[in-house]
Amino acid sequence: NAGVTQTPKFQVLKTGQSMTLQCAQDMNHEYMSWYRQDPGMGLRLIHYSVGAGITDQGEVPNGYNVSRSTTEDFPLRLLSAAPSQTSVYFCASSYSSGGNTIYFGEGSWLTVV
Amino acid sequence: DQQVKQNSPSLSVQEGRISILNCDYTNSMFDYFLWYKKYPAEGPTFLISISSIKDKNEDGRFTVFLNKSAKHLSLHIVPSQPGDSAVYFCASYNQGGKLIFGQGTELSVKP
Repeated sequence: NAGVTQTPKFQVLKTGQSMTLQCAQDMNHEYMSWYRQDPGMGLRLIHYSVGAGITDQGEVPNGYNVSRSTTEDFPLRLLSAAPSQTSVYFCASSYSSGGNTIYFGEGSWLTVV
Repeated sequence: DQQVKQNSPSLSVQEGRISILNCDYTNSMFDYFLWYKKYPAEGPTFLISISSIKDKNEDGRFTVFLNKSAKHLSLHIVPSQPGDSAVYFCASYNQGGKLIFGQGTELSVKP
């Protein structure tokens, strides 16, 4: 019963480096999304996907890239890391958009120095 | 442009007393609201929700009240327990169907 799995849990990057945060779910959910949590800002939507092959931007998409080649996986790519991307990242999935059956991963702590 | 706002970053309550967490929203078209609870080093988990056709929804110790005219909702926890200490987020779906969150309120319940 894995639910939503995020890796890595912790990562330190240097400015300008690129990396990918992995997200996988085993619930056959169509809807997946990425949020970042910053002090005083709550959770802000970065990108989301309504199904394999379909992605769209959220509130704060700049500096991030996503793809959805399978139903299970929704990786988040940081193209050229900046200190402003230091944050906690959460992946979420649900059967569809709307409703309350949204499951979050445990988070990935990213520090950009 | 924060469409869902939680203006109190923190709240401290004595065990056994009532905790009241507040949330305001700006768009009168929002019609479904959710509360999430988040412990440190864990992802948010769903707590309770309310549709705009209701003004109250209750689940055990948790009750959410919705005042549509004031664009305000509140979460009441009675009685509060130390295990309720967490960050609470209110959220709603915007007109694009995206789930947007408030800033969060950190609740501390003291024994």
